[in-house]
Amino acid sequence: GQNIDQPTEMTATEGAIVQINCTYQTSGFNGLFWYQQHAGEAPTFLSYNVLDGLEEKGRFSSFLSRSKGYSYLLLKELQMKDSASYLCAVTDSNYQLIWGAGTKLIIKP
Amino acid sequence: GAGVSQSPSNKVTEKGKDVELRCDPISGHTALYWYRQSLGQGLEFLIYFQGNSAPDKSGLPSDRFSAERTGGSVSTLTIQRTQQEDSAVYLCASSLQLNYGYTFGSGTRLTVV
Repeated sequence: GQNIDQPTEMTATEGAIVQINCTYQTSGFNGLFWYQQHAGEAPTFLSYNVLDGLEEKGRFSSFLSRSKGYSYLLLKELQMKDSASYLCAVTDSNYQLIWGAGTKLIIKP
Repeated sequence: GAGVSQSPSNKVTEKGKDVELRCDPISGHTALYWYRQSLGQGLEFLIYFQGNSAPDKSGLPSDRFSAERTGGSVSTLTIQRTQQEDSAVYLCASSLQLNYGYTFGSGTRLTVV
């Protein structure tokens, strides 16, 4: 079967760095997405990785290792507004997007 | 339009009634997706359209659910004989092509009483 695993919840301190991991087992791979979803709102696009390595975008970076079926989202200089759920999703060989259940990130002052 | 538009934003319906949810994707986006999200849960895939055709309907929970898309644009998701377990937020997303980033609408919150 197809599966995306990510931690259910993480807690971090304002100003710190946090890494949210995602592992996947899918039938084929055509890219991995990270989305941010604030409570009561729709998900918004953060990043896309299709090749191995690190993609940096401001305070957010996303890493992919296809051989390990592994990705992480790195958030630096955490702000209170970063409190949200972070969703990992993988596109399989049929271009269907398989979603993880999301990681709820709690930022404390 | 500038974004993905969904209507209504909120819908309260009585058990057993039919409801129709509408999604207006970003102009030019060929791919359109429907998801369902229950409170505190992840996204549940329902169906996607590439143009007007729906290659994958496997996510529809039962035969009470159907969706169509006409003119490669607006899509409607219809739930017949609604049940309380159908209560959720129904999210629509569109993308320029398969495997491009999605843009989500703000969702329709459906409550079946």
